[in-house]
Amino acid sequence: SQKIEQNSEALNIQEGKTATLTCNYTNYSPAYLQWYRQDPGRGPVFLLLIRENEKEKRKERLKVTFDTTLKQSLFHITASQPADSATYLCALDGSGSARQLTFGSGTQLTVLP
Amino acid sequence: EAGVVQSPRYKIIEKKQPVAFWCNPISGHNTLYWYLQNLGQGPELLIRYENEEAVDDSQLPKDRFSAERLKGVDSTLKIQPAELGDSAVYLCASSSGQKFNNEQFFGPGTRLTVL
Repeated sequence: SQKIEQNSEALNIQEGKTATLTCNYTNYSPAYLQWYRQDPGRGPVFLLLIRENEKEKRKERLKVTFDTTLKQSLFHITASQPADSATYLCALDGSGSARQLTFGSGTQLTVLP
Repeated sequence: EAGVVQSPRYKIIEKKQPVAFWCNPISGHNTLYWYLQNLGQGPELLIRYENEEAVDDSQLPKDRFSAERLKGVDSTLKIQPAELGDSAVYLCASSSGQKFNNEQFFGPGTRLTVL
C-alpha cells in the first residue's frame, strides 16, 4: 500500500543548530515533492517544491533533497531559530495528477532558545 | 492580495445536525480543494474542483457530505447529518493549476466539534 512517513517523533533542537526532517515514501512515483509549514490554528504554508530530476533545492536557510532511489526527501533548516518551531509537512503527487497532493502526517519541530 | 478566506472559523454542533463551511479562494485560482485534517495528521483530500467541475471526489463520503462550486469561484462544503467522528479541521486551499508550480494556498480552516 502507499505510505508517506515523516519523523515519527517530535524533534527538539537547540537554537543555531541544523534541523533535519525526513520524509520517506513507498509505492509512489512522484514527479515532485513539496514541503509545507503549519503553525497551530493555521493552514499549511508552502515552503519549497523539488522535482524528481532535481537533487537539491535551496531557499534562504532551507534546503531540500530528493532521492528517488531511496524514496526519501530530507528537509534542512540551518541556523535554526525559535521562530522556526512549527509542524512541517511533506506532500507528494501520489495520484498521477499534477494537481493532487498527498500529505504526510508531519513532524513537530521545537527550536529551544 | 487577500488569501483564502474560510468561514466560520469555529463551529460546535450536536450530532445529527447539518453544518456548512464556506470558502473563497484566491482570485484567479481555478483549482479549489477541500481537505479534512485530524489532530496530529496531515490534510486528507475530500474533493478537488477545476473551475466549477468536481474532478476528484473519490474521498468524499457522499452519503452525508456534499460540496458545490456553482460559479467556479467560492465553494460550500456541507455535512448532513453530522456524526461525532466528523470533528476535525476542514481546510480549503486553492492553486493556479499550473502543472509544476501548483503550490497550494490554504485558508485558516474551520474547526468543527460535534457533540
